[in-house]
Amino acid sequence: AQSVTQLGSHVSVSEGALVLLRCNYSSSVPPYLFWYVQYPNQGLQLLLKYTSAATLVKGINGFEAEFKKSETSFHLTKPSAHMSDAAEYFCAVSGGSGGSNYKLTFGKGTLLTVNP
Amino acid sequence: EAGVAQSPRYKIIEKRQSVAFWCNPISGHATLYWYQQILGQGPKLLIQFQNNGVVDDSQLPKDRFSAERLKGVDSTLKIQPAKLEDSAVYLCASSSVGGTQYFGPGTRLLVL
Repeated sequence: AQSVTQLGSHVSVSEGALVLLRCNYSSSVPPYLFWYVQYPNQGLQLLLKYTSAATLVKGINGFEAEFKKSETSFHLTKPSAHMSDAAEYFCAVSGGSGGSNYKLTFGKGTLLTVNP
Repeated sequence: EAGVAQSPRYKIIEKRQSVAFWCNPISGHATLYWYQQILGQGPKLLIQFQNNGVVDDSQLPKDRFSAERLKGVDSTLKIQPAKLEDSAVYLCASSSVGGTQYFGPGTRLLVL
């Protein structure tokens, strides 16, 4: 069984400030981890994914995340926020290999607002 | 490359009516997923297909929800009869086997 906890349903930052969105996971098998972004009235877009290779994963739009097994965490960061980063962000986990293990289990999401 | 297509984008119905959603996955993707996203929550998997076979439907409320994927390409999700709590966004995603899931824009359902 897998689960995801996203700490903070709403994060507000100033433009140019560091973005840190927190995600902790639970998995009975080695996990694959994902961050997706959702803009209003749109589907989910993949930002980045961890699939057991490098623990520091770089994604699109300047985002990156670090897999820390000892902390069961996969926090998302961006050094400098831009107004266009305002959206909802979802962390997700999958079992990674075989059949229904590919299904994604999502956290509840974190709404990021960026203040000018 | 065309993305995942879904229709309709919006639907308003009254409780106890029926409704159907359509999804056309990315060409060549064998795996298709339907997720339900209730306001304020993350998406929850309803059903996973690989080609035209069901891999996982453990969270599909089978007394009212049904889904099919004829010929292993596009898929239809149906709700009959709808309840108020079915108000949500229904997301379709597709992937190659074991690959990254790509999501469509979703169908926003409001049940009155």
